[in-house]
Amino acid sequence: DTGVSQNPRHKITKRGQNVTFRCDPISEHNRLYWYRQTLGQGPEFLTYFQNEAQLEKSRLLSDRFSAERPKGSFSTLEIQRTEQGDSAMYLCASSLRGAGSGSYEQYFGPGTRLTVT
Amino acid sequence: DAKTTQPNSMESNEEEPVHLPCNHSTISGTDYIHWYRQLPSQGPEYVIHGLTSNVNNRMASLAIAEDRKSSTLILHRATLRDAAVYYCILRDGDFGNEKLTFGTGTRLTIIP
Repeated sequence: DTGVSQNPRHKITKRGQNVTFRCDPISEHNRLYWYRQTLGQGPEFLTYFQNEAQLEKSRLLSDRFSAERPKGSFSTLEIQRTEQGDSAMYLCASSLRGAGSGSYEQYFGPGTRLTVT
Repeated sequence: DAKTTQPNSMESNEEEPVHLPCNHSTISGTDYIHWYRQLPSQGPEYVIHGLTSNVNNRMASLAIAEDRKSSTLILHRATLRDAAVYYCILRDGDFGNEKLTFGTGTRLTIIP
């Protein structure tokens, strides 16, 4: 257990429905990342937050996707009008970024597996 | 991010050392070398990272070539729980956004 939790762990939804996932990072971590992973591939970056500010979004994040991190704590990822191609594992990670240069490890949650039927 | 090249798969016997190679010939001076692993049905797990010097921690050792164009993750005594996909990733330490760009990694199989 890394200290990053994600809910729900599994979600099955019908095409066209909206879904929302939640990520609770390690409490003192100021950075939060969302990734998506499909079968046989490595995770792909979607977006990240520093505190409550969303600083970068991948081109993978279409208009149907939105992420928030109110108050710089937990984060939600919403997918509207789901499509079968959205079926994947959605992973959240957090890190503590200090001042200055350097590189910091990310701690991942167990993921939310989405199946769109 | 600069790209890395890893073998698709490797096998090793239990209780023996494992050397996982990674090539990164286009690495820049500010790129850190990170290793993560992903056990079945889990999120990725940080293993180790380094910039220029070899690094050791409780999980593994990272040996970095003098020209930094390659590196090797060393598991000193493999156990069945080390069976996972291992990802070698470069991260720019000066850039700020620390998103991870995963490749397909090396699938390590441990033979009992």
